[in-house]
Amino acid sequence: QKEVEQNSGPLSVPEGAIASLNCTYSDRGSQSFFWYRQYSGKSPELIMSIYSNGDKEDGRFTAQLNKASQYVSLLIRDSQPSDSATYLCAVIRSNDYKLSFGAGTTVTVRA
Amino acid sequence: DTGVSQDPRHKITKRGQNVTFRCDPISEHNRLYWYRQTLGQGPEFLTYFQNEAQLEKSRLLSDRFSAERPKGSFSTLEIQRTEQGDSAMYLCASSLGAAGGPTDTQYFGPGTRLTVL
Repeated sequence: QKEVEQNSGPLSVPEGAIASLNCTYSDRGSQSFFWYRQYSGKSPELIMSIYSNGDKEDGRFTAQLNKASQYVSLLIRDSQPSDSATYLCAVIRSNDYKLSFGAGTTVTVRA
Repeated sequence: DTGVSQDPRHKITKRGQNVTFRCDPISEHNRLYWYRQTLGQGPEFLTYFQNEAQLEKSRLLSDRFSAERPKGSFSTLEIQRTEQGDSAMYLCASSLGAAGGPTDTQYFGPGTRLTVL
């Protein structure tokens, strides 16, 4: 079982719609969860972090964490063509410092 | 610009040559990390430093790879006798470390893209 798994994608959504991205993780003791956005040929850029169960909103982005289900998600509301990118879910396991990444989900927003 | 910087941004080399990459972290950050990313995959951890001490190395880091952070500031990653399988994006990240507490966040540099011919 991979440490971090993401829905495989690619995900295509029309402009203005909601894009929903999912991620599960294997280490129940994980405490820190991140979503990075990566444009083609560029490095990952942090867009959201979440540490407690529940929702966290930042602009058009909402991260949701459910530690009991070992599940973290990202919603992008009012999707824009500039949101077209690969979204990486990353987790820091218990008693650790390094990030464990999923393979990413590629999102395309159709104008 | 006070972000993480990496040099060079691109490197093309022939198999068997040695290459060295440099990373300059955000100035107040104590922790520095190296990751490697191949096409279609998420970044994979290679090694990390707390100040000048290298505290963990992945089993991905064969004996051809060596990393240093001599004064707790910039870091170098050297690959000796490069192989075609070393072709990847090499990413450096930094974080505050203990001062960041449980919410310590890693910020990435632009990466060095290595192509081994």
